[in-house]
Amino acid sequence: DTGVSQDPRHKITKRGQNVTFRCDPISEHNRLYWYRQTLGQGPEFLTYFQNEAQLEKSRLLSDRFSAERPKGSFSTLEIQRTEQGDSAMYLCASSLAGWGLAKNIQYFGAGTRLSVL
Amino acid sequence: QKEVEQNSGPLSVPEGAIASLNCTYSDRGSQSFFWYRQYSGKSPELIMFIYSNGDKEDGRFTAQLNKASQYVSLLIRDSQPSDSATYLCAVNIDRGSTLGRLYFGRGTQLTVWP
Repeated sequence: DTGVSQDPRHKITKRGQNVTFRCDPISEHNRLYWYRQTLGQGPEFLTYFQNEAQLEKSRLLSDRFSAERPKGSFSTLEIQRTEQGDSAMYLCASSLAGWGLAKNIQYFGAGTRLSVL
Repeated sequence: QKEVEQNSGPLSVPEGAIASLNCTYSDRGSQSFFWYRQYSGKSPELIMFIYSNGDKEDGRFTAQLNKASQYVSLLIRDSQPSDSATYLCAVNIDRGSTLGRLYFGRGTQLTVWP
């Protein structure tokens, strides 16, 4: 399978615990994005990387959230001291894009559904 | 004002009809426009993308873009029950840096009944 892969698919945790999600992008894609989606809403942008560099972070991304892409391949998203409001689907997407009017076609993984009890 | 607005529906059409989904955007820096389909509990799946004014057709799907009116639409011809899903409109906005994040609407729920 050469699509975007996310792990785990589901995560149930207790409030206050830390969780980490992993995303493996399409192999030749240089950009990787994290979004969060709650019921009845469209995906909301969290952050994105071009290769190893984290180019943009949303105001939604509090200090409890951190993302890495250390070798420009897979990425991890960690949430520390989880809160019930963190319950959502966490989506990863990747694209092959560059500077200028890039087509920036983003392909999504299956997502990680987080439930904080 | 949100960057992308969609009527959340639900939109209900009979099988074989044309379904028309609409989206407006607020930022004139919007450069490219995407329609994603999302089945319940699944992730978004790209259906169409469009950059230039006018129409773009792909099979039963047609995307229409009017930059002057800041309006993009998706037409689904010969609608099938399998088209029943939430349709998400998304835009890329050029804000002085390389195009990055997508801004999504909240989606329109479409039901095609047999």
